[in-house]
Amino acid sequence: AQKVTQAQTEISVVEKEDVTLDCVYETRDTTYYLFWYKQPPSGELVFLIRRNSFDEQNEISGRYSWNFQKSTSSFNFTITASQVVDSAVYFCALSEAGPWYNQGGKLIFGQGTELSVKP
Amino acid sequence: DSGVTQTPKHLITATGQRVTLRCSPRSGDLSVYWYQQSLDQGLQFLIQYYNGEERAKGNILERFSAQQFPDLHSELNLSSLELGDSALYFCASSAAGAAPSNTGELFFGEGSRLTVL
Repeated sequence: AQKVTQAQTEISVVEKEDVTLDCVYETRDTTYYLFWYKQPPSGELVFLIRRNSFDEQNEISGRYSWNFQKSTSSFNFTITASQVVDSAVYFCALSEAGPWYNQGGKLIFGQGTELSVKP
Repeated sequence: DSGVTQTPKHLITATGQRVTLRCSPRSGDLSVYWYQQSLDQGLQFLIQYYNGEERAKGNILERFSAQQFPDLHSELNLSSLELGDSALYFCASSAAGAAPSNTGELFFGEGSRLTVL
């Protein structure tokens, strides 16, 4: 069965600190997608990244970076020099490859990590 | 703004009642997904429609049903409501299958918060 575990329920940091959010997944599929979403206090879900199982290259986008390691089934997310606006709940999610009309839409979410960045 | 519109934003009703949540996907997106976010269950996939047809089902109760209309908007019907149905219901859309450049990104609406008293 597919499963996503975000062991960190809450993290609190001071502005400008670096913070890493952990995500461990389980799947028997060889082709799958991994995602990170951000849910700010306003409630909407904001897409951050999608990575397919064949692409283990780490990715950096501004202050955000992602470390995908198939050997440990992990897809960790690091925020460098955190800011107050980064305060949100962050969700890691997994999806099987599926048919062409469902490319990753049927997501299995982790329980989320609530990040609080204090000034 | 994701381009996905959900109405109503908030809804308060009583046990045993029936409600309908509405979703308009982003212009051109053929796939619509419904998710439920509750404190005890977290974020769970309910159901997916693609161009009017049901394509995938998740942990959707028999008391719940959905459909996607020819204009691609979707409705989620919740009946015989129970206290445990109180949750934030998200609709999402994607351009799945539309182009090789599709990132597989799901665009979520702001959600409809249902409170059952």
